[in-house]
Amino acid sequence: DTEVTQTPKHLVMGMTNKKSLKCEQHMGHRAMYWYKQKAKKPPELMFVYSYEKLSINESVPSRFSPECPNSSLLNLHLHALQPEDSALYLCASSQEAAVNYGYTFGSGTRLTVV
Amino acid sequence: SQQGEEDPQALSIQEGENATMNCSYKTSINNLQWYRQNSGRGLVHLILIRSNEREKHSGRLRVTLDTSKKSSSLLITASRAADTASYFCATFDPSGSEKLVFGKGTKLTVNP
Repeated sequence: DTEVTQTPKHLVMGMTNKKSLKCEQHMGHRAMYWYKQKAKKPPELMFVYSYEKLSINESVPSRFSPECPNSSLLNLHLHALQPEDSALYLCASSQEAAVNYGYTFGSGTRLTVV
Repeated sequence: SQQGEEDPQALSIQEGENATMNCSYKTSINNLQWYRQNSGRGLVHLILIRSNEREKHSGRLRVTLDTSKKSSSLLITASRAADTASYFCATFDPSGSEKLVFGKGTKLTVNP
């Protein structure tokens, strides 16, 4: 299995809703990432997990809450989002959180906040 | 913060032609990576070139790296309509080795 699977593919949520994005990989990768991508912009790093521990939070607002239940799963819990949070959310993994590895990305979740 | 800047921002060519995209970066690097993204979906890792390498090939892709000029190029030979995508270079942020930072990207359109 050489894939990163993200669910759901599309999500529409209201500003008072609570929802979660899920990401799964079975490649034995020990680093997992969340990126946010707005239209016609490059992906921007949100969080880095290394060996199931949060190692980087890029000053992301607390309405985004990451969770890594085990080495194969990464969640992003969403609460009280704003319309400007609408974007493509990408999950990625790599063998290690180190400089010598390429990332494997999921297909993303297209989030719309209404 | 962005480390890489791609050039051109957009490129339109005919099938069969070669496409060249350039990436410039600001600080020293351990490696530079190229990714492809189709229609706003997930990114696909194409090539990783280390700082001590000058050229690398993968199928129809050729990547060069010039650390003295802090630049890299991605050449796609004999392009196909299926190569239509956005291409990003990425480097690790010099302030934190775990942070892979993407350039603005080049949107390539290959016309049949």
